[in-house]
Amino acid sequence: GAVVSQHPSRVICKSGTSVKIECRSLDFQATTMFWYRQFPKQSLMLMATSNEGSKATYEQGVEKDKFLINHASLTLSTLTVTSAHPEDSSFYICSASIWGRGWPEAFFGQGTRLTVV
Amino acid sequence: KQEVTQIPAALSVPEGENLVLNCSFTDSAIYNLQWFRQDPGKGLTSLLLIQSSQREQTSGRLNASLDKSSGRSTLYIAASQPGDSATYLCAVSPSSGNTGKLIFGQGTTLQVKP
Repeated sequence: GAVVSQHPSRVICKSGTSVKIECRSLDFQATTMFWYRQFPKQSLMLMATSNEGSKATYEQGVEKDKFLINHASLTLSTLTVTSAHPEDSSFYICSASIWGRGWPEAFFGQGTRLTVV
Repeated sequence: KQEVTQIPAALSVPEGENLVLNCSFTDSAIYNLQWFRQDPGKGLTSLLLIQSSQREQTSGRLNASLDKSSGRSTLYIAASQPGDSATYLCAVSPSSGNTGKLIFGQGTTLQVKP
């Protein structure tokens, strides 16, 4: 199956700093990637759709200036949490979809546990 | 707006028992439905994917069914084992203007006791 690699798996940062998370499709090209967020004991919520070569599409309630998404190539999307605060501590996970026979199948990265202290 | 609901939120069973996890969704316009497993603090492992035209999929001790018209899916786990303990998530892929995003349920946390 397709492989999506996410890095780092864990990061601890000080309040006010920025953190970048990378999401790579290793054996396929992904024109679209997705970023999700998961709070403790809750489900995954879509944050934004990352489009290669264009601006990301953010879900309602997600601050685009706080969560910067760049999709500069067909295999790499990055999420930068700017001026991080403790409330941004969460599990962030990316996915990419492959369209096989007319429908999408999603493949997920391993996730990144962000802790802001 | 598509909403996905999973029942129960938590389940504890003795080893060896067969069990059923339930998932319902409000909009039948979907490409497919996927069941995932998530271990604590970890990412997602895809278990089964059912296309909208399919009724069920099987993998080992797992069987997932889909009734698109009623907006329901079930995940059946046969002869449960302690290693099956995890959170199980179902997710649908909306077919309207969708490039591959998923809408997730809240998950069912399963504990299988030895």
